[in-house]
Amino acid sequence: RKEVEQDPGPFNVPEGATVAFNCTYSNSASQSFFWYRQDCRKEPKLLMSVYSSGNEDGRFTAQLNRASQYISLLIRDSKLSDSATYLCVVIIGGFKTIFGAGTRLFVKA
Amino acid sequence: DTGVSQNPRHKITKRGQNVTFRCDPISEHNRLYWYRQTLGQGPEFLTYFQNEAQLEKSRLLSDRFSAERPKGSFSTLEIQRTEQGDSAMYLCASSLQGQVSPQHFGDGTRLSIL
Repeated sequence: RKEVEQDPGPFNVPEGATVAFNCTYSNSASQSFFWYRQDCRKEPKLLMSVYSSGNEDGRFTAQLNRASQYISLLIRDSKLSDSATYLCVVIIGGFKTIFGAGTRLFVKA
Repeated sequence: DTGVSQNPRHKITKRGQNVTFRCDPISEHNRLYWYRQTLGQGPEFLTYFQNEAQLEKSRLLSDRFSAERPKGSFSTLEIQRTEQGDSAMYLCASSLQGQVSPQHFGDGTRLSIL
C-alpha cells in the first residue's frame, strides 16, 4: 500500500462546477499536510496548508480528518485556469515529505 | 527573483557519463530538499539538508548519487555513471525550519539519458 494515495482521475468538470478530491495517508505519525498544484512540465506550487480546523482560501477549502487519516480539497466555481494536477503532501518527522501521485483536473468551457 | 533557482534546466547526456545539478535555495531558508519526479508520479524524496548537514537520504539514492551543501547555501546533486533509468525531472525545494513551513520548489532540471 502506498503511504499517500490519491485518485488519479482525471476529473472532467464544466466551468462553475464544484469538485472534491480526497487523499488518504497510512502513517499515523504524519504531522503536516499540504495541497500543491502542478501544471504540465512545471514545478509544484503550494496551494494551501491543511489543518484539522479546516482552511479556506477563496474558492478552495481544505480539510484534515486525523481519525480517518484523510485530507480533502474542495474547489468551488471551477475556472478553466484550475486545470492542473493536484498533489497531496504529507510530512512525517518534521521533514520526511511524501507526495501522492496527484489527481488530474480538467475544467472545460 | 528571489525564488529557488536550479540549473541547468535541461541536461542531455549519454549513458555512463557523470552529471551535476545545482540548486540555489531562497536565501533565508535553512532546509533544502532534493526530489525526483517521473511522468505520472508525484515527486519522490531523495535527500534533505538542514544547513550544511545532510540529515536524511532515501534508499532511492543509490551509491551513484551524492549531494552536498558545503556552506549551507547552494547544493549540488551529482549522478555518476548515469543509467537510462535516471531520466527524470530533478526538483529542489527549500523551506524555513519548522514542521508547518511549506516547501518552495525550483523549476527543476530535466535529465535525459541517451
